[in-house]
Amino acid sequence: GAGVSQSPSNKVTEKGKDVELRCDPISGHTALYWYRQRLGQGLEFLIYFQGNSAPDKSGLPSDRFSAERTGESVSTLTIQRTQQEDSAVYLCASSSGSVANEQFFGPGTRLTVL
Amino acid sequence: EDQVTQSPEALRLQEGESSSLNCSYTVSGLRGLFWYRQDPGKGPEFLFTLYSAGEEKEKERLKATLTKKESFLHITAPKPEDSATYLCAVFRGNTGKLIFGQGTTLQVKP
Repeated sequence: GAGVSQSPSNKVTEKGKDVELRCDPISGHTALYWYRQRLGQGLEFLIYFQGNSAPDKSGLPSDRFSAERTGESVSTLTIQRTQQEDSAVYLCASSSGSVANEQFFGPGTRLTVL
Repeated sequence: EDQVTQSPEALRLQEGESSSLNCSYTVSGLRGLFWYRQDPGKGPEFLFTLYSAGEEKEKERLKATLTKKESFLHITAPKPEDSATYLCAVFRGNTGKLIFGQGTTLQVKP
């Protein structure tokens, strides 16, 4: 079946602009996660959705970052007034049922802020 | 503070030369540990989940083990296609939030 998909695959933007990143999870997966991976570094947790509620937003680095999810489907991560330090690969993952289940990752969106 | 440390940062092996990757962690209330493989330009690919000390899991040339303080990923007779970055992550609590290590980049030369 189809895996997690993300769009766009690459995004280049100018400092100060807003960007929206999209994630389509595996059908039927109730949990959805966003992570950020800076060049040469490990993944940093951003936010977790269970259905369309977000019980854990603890990883969002500032109020310029927000995310929403429609039902148990698509999620959008929005970064307002982008800064150069926002440049990274943004990865989305989904999992089914229990939080102990493995998370399946999408290919990521590479964001470059000039 | 929860912390996950992987070593070495990079590892170069000859084809057939077995070795181990280490993931040490300090996490209160650990519920489980994941191993992922990541190829350049791609998202992480799930390998194993370990839930309790003493647990072991195997898949082809890979075997993962878990103690109360660390996990090992043993690679037996590696092949060039095993070249990738291997990521370790732990989770606790009720949200499934994963705390990742920095990864070990493995290069296997023919």
